[in-house]
Amino acid sequence: AQRVTQPEKLLSVFKGAPVELKCNYSYSGSPELFWYVQYSRQRLQLLLRHISRESIKGFTADLNKGETSFHLKKPFAQEEDSAMYYCALSGDSSYKLIFGSGTRLLVRP
Amino acid sequence: ETGVTQSPTHLIKTRGQQVTLRCSSQSGHNTVSWYQQALGQGPQFIFQYYREEENGRGNFPPRFSGLQFPNYSSELNVNALELDDSALYLCASSYTGIKSYEQYFGPGTRLTVT
Repeated sequence: AQRVTQPEKLLSVFKGAPVELKCNYSYSGSPELFWYVQYSRQRLQLLLRHISRESIKGFTADLNKGETSFHLKKPFAQEEDSAMYYCALSGDSSYKLIFGSGTRLLVRP
Repeated sequence: ETGVTQSPTHLIKTRGQQVTLRCSSQSGHNTVSWYQQALGQGPQFIFQYYREEENGRGNFPPRFSGLQFPNYSSELNVNALELDDSALYLCASSYTGIKSYEQYFGPGTRLTVT
C-alpha cells in the first residue's frame, strides 16, 4: 500500500535550534518525494522535491531508500518557519500526490 | 501569471443535497487534480483530469465526479452529500508533458454538510 507517515503532529523548537521533521513512506516502486508547506492564511505550496536536490529557505531533505525516509532538516530554525509541513509522494503516471497527515512546526522566539 | 482560483470560498449544504465546486487552473497548465482535506488530516487525492478525461482516481465513491473544460478549468460534483463530506476541497493545477511538473494549489473551498 502507498502511504506517507509523519509521526509528529506538533514540533516546537526555539529560534536558532536545529529542526528535523520526520517522514517515512511505503511504496513498492521508485517514488518521487516532496515537502509542501502551508504558512498561516496562505495556500499549500511546494517547498522542495527530492529530485532537484535543492536547499530552499535553508531546508534540505535527503531520500533514504533503505530506511524509506525523507526527513526535512534545517540547522537553525527561524520564527518565520512556523507553518504546517506536509510530506508527499508521487509514484505512478497519474502524478497524484499522497500526503502525510502533516506536522505543525512552531518556532518560539 | 494568474494563480489557481476556486469558488465558492465557503459553502453550507444539507445532507442528501448535491454540490458543485469550481476551479480555474493556472495559465499554461493542462491538468487539474482535486483533493479532500478533512480537519487535522493531509489532503487526500480524489481524481485528476487531463485533456478533459479522468486520469487517475483515489478511493472515493462514484458520487464524486468531475469535469474538465477545454480551457482546462474544472468542476467537482458531489451527489447525495453525507456529513463526512464536510472538508476543505483543494484544486491543484499542473502541466503534464514528458515529465511531471509541480502542482500549484488553490485556496480551497470549505464545505460544511449539516
